[in-house]
Amino acid sequence: NAGVTQTPKFQVLKTGQSMTLQCAQDMNHEYMSWYRQDPGMGLRLIHYSVGAGITDQGEVPNGYNVSRSTTEDFPLRLLSAAPSQTSVYFCASSGRLNQPQHFGDGTRLSIL
Amino acid sequence: AQSVAQPEDQVNVAEGNPLTVKCTYSVSGNPYLFWYVQYPNRGLQFLLKYITGDNLVKGSYGFEAEFNKSQTSFHLKKPSALVSDSALYFCAVRVYSNSGYALNFGKGTSLLVTP
Repeated sequence: NAGVTQTPKFQVLKTGQSMTLQCAQDMNHEYMSWYRQDPGMGLRLIHYSVGAGITDQGEVPNGYNVSRSTTEDFPLRLLSAAPSQTSVYFCASSGRLNQPQHFGDGTRLSIL
Repeated sequence: AQSVAQPEDQVNVAEGNPLTVKCTYSVSGNPYLFWYVQYPNRGLQFLLKYITGDNLVKGSYGFEAEFNKSQTSFHLKKPSALVSDSALYFCAVRVYSNSGYALNFGKGTSLLVTP
């Protein structure tokens, strides 16, 4: 039972590079979301989704794109990485409204 | 916008003493509130939630939280702290739209329980 799987666990990028952070869940959950965690800032919501083809922006969506083509996967794309996007990124999923969110172990991203 | 605030960056308590981690909320409509815990280099783990009903909510690992509508608070409590409770604690409020459900988190409170 894998739960929420995030890949890669660590990544170093140069400014201007693009990359995709992967998130997959095997619990058939409808709700998925992306957060970034920065010291002293807590977790901030980037994007979220209720199912394939349906996404919405959270508090800090600029610089990030998402798409949801399947129930299982919710990738987060950085089109042109900036140092301000250095952070730890968490993906989460939930099966029903108001049920607890299950979090992945995070992706640590450094942008030089 | 739905938001929560955690006024304390750090809480220190001696093992065996009661602990309280504070959270206040600001929402339009009914509040849906959650507490999560994070251990070093890990994702967040769910502790408890308030959706409706009793103001005292019981959760995992002996934690409980008291919902107070007049004070717009949702403080996390435990009668007797353990050293293993030392971690980062987050209060959160539900964000909901036709596009999904997610959480807005507070900045977190670091709990240190000393032997």
